[in-house]
Parts: sequence; C-alpha cells; structure tokens
Amino acid sequence: EPEVTQTPSHQVTQMGQEVILRCVPISNHLYFYWYRQILGQKVEFLVSFYNNEISEKSEIFDDQFSVERPDGSNFTLKIRSTKLEDSAMYFCASRGLTSNTGELFFGEGSRLTVL
Amino acid sequence: AQSVTQLGSHVSVSEGALVLLRCNYSSSVPPYLFWYVQYPNQGLQLLLKYTSAATLVKGINGFEAEFKKSETSFHLTKPSAHMSDAAEYFCAVTHNQAGTALIFGKGTTLSVSS
Repeated sequence: EPEVTQTPSHQVTQMGQEVILRCVPISNHLYFYWYRQILGQKVEFLVSFYNNEISEKSEIFDDQFSVERPDGSNFTLKIRSTKLEDSAMYFCASRGLTSNTGELFFGEGSRLTVL
Repeated sequence: AQSVTQLGSHVSVSEGALVLLRCNYSSSVPPYLFWYVQYPNQGLQLLLKYTSAATLVKGINGFEAEFKKSETSFHLTKPSAHMSDAAEYFCAVTHNQAGTALIFGKGTTLSVSS
C-alpha cells in the first residue's frame, strides 16, 4: 500500500541551527502538507503546497519556515534558525488530485528536539 | 472558519465497555469530518470519515461515528473496548475544496483497563 515516508525519524539540534525535514509523499498525490504536534498538544496545521507554491499557511508558519519540492518526489520543510519551542513532532501529509473527500495520508513523523 | 472541539481530553473505560469520544464541529459550509487515531510513537491513521453520504459511518477496528447536523456533532463510538484501543484520538474537519487543510481537535486520550 502506498505510504508517505519521512526522514529523519528523530533529529536533535542546537538552538539556532538550520534543520531540514524530508518527506516523500504518495507518488500520484499533488497536495502536500506539514503539520506539527508539540508534546501533549494537538496536531497543528503549518502549510499546504500545490503546483509548486504555498496554497495556505497558518500563523505558526513564519519567516523561519520554508517548504520546497526540489525534485519530483521530495517535499521538504526547512527551519532556518531553530528555537526551543520548535521542538515537536512534524508530520507530512499528502492528498490526491482526484480525492473528493479531503482525506490526508500522513507519514509517521519526524521528531525534532532543539537543545 | 472551521473548528473542532473534542470534549474530554482523557477518557477511561474498562475492557468490554462502551467507548464514546465526543466531537463537535463548527463550519460555515458542509463539512467533511474525520477521526484519526495515533498509537504511541506512531503517525496518524485514518479511522473513518464522513463525506456527505451515509450519516452513520463505520470504520476500522469496530469503530463507528454518526454525523448529526442538528447537533453539529460527530461522536465516535465502539460497543466494546479492547486493550489495543488505548491511543490518542483526533477529530478533524475540512470541506470539499482541493488543498484545504484538515483542522484537528485537541485530541482525546483513551485508556482501557482490564
């Protein structure tokens, strides 16, 4: 069964460092998303991406964040200068063009720990 | 704007007992509603979804949910809890517009005791 894959599964970084989280969405999907979940809190929407541009973003997604689809398969989330409060689980998700149900398929997440 | 409210951050039941997890939504357009489950140290897995067809929706692992427009609710139920049902459950809402993000509730932790 097709699945969304994310790397790394866990990354530890120092405050102020740049981090790139990688995602390989399901191959025929065209809508891509990043969500985050701070420990013990709800899953929060960060950004959605379609046709090589951001289609929607939340207040959380400030100038420190960026997304990119550098090739035909990867979808990346970059945090330019990490802060302690960026420590969270980051989930990538994708959705098919023909999907009329709004269902997102999620990866297993990348846990980011900022020290 | 859309939102979801999950009543009760933690629900505890005994094995074999009824499971009821509550979700109320707010949406200015016809909603699509979802329940996702998250087992410890895992990602989000779709349990079931409501997409304007049958109001009673059956999902995996014996769970079902009923869409009640008059009550703006989409509560999740299971007749008989199993130990393996212990997890975090998230209700989410979106509408049928391509690319629109899912908005999640705060989640409900289900504990099952023997």
